[in-house]
Amino acid sequence: KQEVTQIPAALSVPEGENLVLNCSFTDSAIYNLQWFRQDPGKGLTSLLLIQSSQREQTSGRLNASLDKSSGRSTLYIAASQPGDSATYLCAVDNQGGKLIFGQGTELSVKP
Amino acid sequence: NAGVTQTPKFRILKIGQSMTLQCAQDMNHNYMYWYRQDPGMGLKLIYYSVGAGITDKGEVPNGYNVSRSTTEDFPLRLELAAPSQTSVYFCASSYAVRPFSYEQYFGPGTRLTVT
Repeated sequence: KQEVTQIPAALSVPEGENLVLNCSFTDSAIYNLQWFRQDPGKGLTSLLLIQSSQREQTSGRLNASLDKSSGRSTLYIAASQPGDSATYLCAVDNQGGKLIFGQGTELSVKP
Repeated sequence: NAGVTQTPKFRILKIGQSMTLQCAQDMNHNYMYWYRQDPGMGLKLIYYSVGAGITDKGEVPNGYNVSRSTTEDFPLRLELAAPSQTSVYFCASSYAVRPFSYEQYFGPGTRLTVT
């Protein structure tokens, strides 16, 4: 059974720092991995999707990497801003669209 | 485009009552999903649909039913509500060509309390 773990559960950094969020999964036979952002009381916003054949994806200050063999993905946020404060969720798809989510990392960026 | 819309935003039910959570998407996506999110947890899949007339169970389907009569709509029915169904419910949609799927787009959620 696929299990997704995100460490740390919470992270607080000063504005301007570069930071890395981690996601690990137990079954490497995935089709893709998605990173989402969730603001308090809101729905999820897709940030990046990495297909299983890809190693990384970039969007603005965000870069996500995928290492299927080791069951790991990282989300790199450059030059963090207070507006980046949110919960970040990773999810893997190994059954054709049925996502398995991690519990999330709650990020706080202090001005 | 409105994307994925959900109604209602909030609802309080008494134990044993029933209700339907509405979900609609205008992106012509073939796949639709229902998830629940309990406090401090990730999301768990309740049911999903790969197209009109086709639905299947996810990880936590007990106590719920779905139907998909059109591409756009995917309502979730709660029968005999229980306190364990207190949660935030999210509907999502995506385009998929089996076995590959693409970005899932989420609605704003329905916060349900059963007392």
